[in-house]
Amino acid sequence: EDQVTQSPEALRLQEGESSSLNCSYTVSGLRGLFWYRQDPGKGPEFLFTLYSAGEEKEKERLKATLTKKESFLHITAPKPEDSATYLCAVLNSGGGADGLTFGKGTHLIIQP
Amino acid sequence: DTAVSQTPKYLVTQMGNDKSIKCEQNLGHDTMYWYKQDSKKFLKIMFSYNNKELIINETVPNRFSPKSPDKAHLNLHINSLELGDSAVYFCASSQVYGQGEQFFGPGTRLTVL
Repeated sequence: EDQVTQSPEALRLQEGESSSLNCSYTVSGLRGLFWYRQDPGKGPEFLFTLYSAGEEKEKERLKATLTKKESFLHITAPKPEDSATYLCAVLNSGGGADGLTFGKGTHLIIQP
Repeated sequence: DTAVSQTPKYLVTQMGNDKSIKCEQNLGHDTMYWYKQDSKKFLKIMFSYNNKELIINETVPNRFSPKSPDKAHLNLHINSLELGDSAVYFCASSQVYGQGEQFFGPGTRLTVL
């Protein structure tokens, strides 16, 4: 069964203080690893797709990287508007409705 | 225009009742999904629907049934509601089947009393 574990569960940073969020995964056949952002009371919003080890994607202050066992979401010089829950997900390799398998998320708070 | 919309936003009902949640996407996508987010914020896939083919997560009780009147709509019907059904339900869509880039609706918070 596919599993996704995110750490830490919560992270509080000062504005401008860079850090990384971790996502470790166990899948029978990786069809893609995905990062989403979820704001309170809203649905998840797609950020990045990573398909193979060594791949990197960047968007503004966020950079996602992938190895064979984990992915990192690096946040550089964050701003208060980056506060959200960041979700990591993998695409099921078969069975189980072929939807995304999500981790429990990292709740990120950026203090001004 | 909202890409994926759901109604209602909030739904409060008694145990044993039957209720429906509506979902519409205006993206022209081929595939739609229903996810459940429980009190611990854990998102789990319930169904995916593509080209009239429904794929069900085996853990979902048969009291839950999605119905698609057309490609742009996937409604969720729930019979004989139980306390444990209380959660936030999200509809999502993707351009093609089996794609991880999905567009989510705003969610429907269901409370069963």
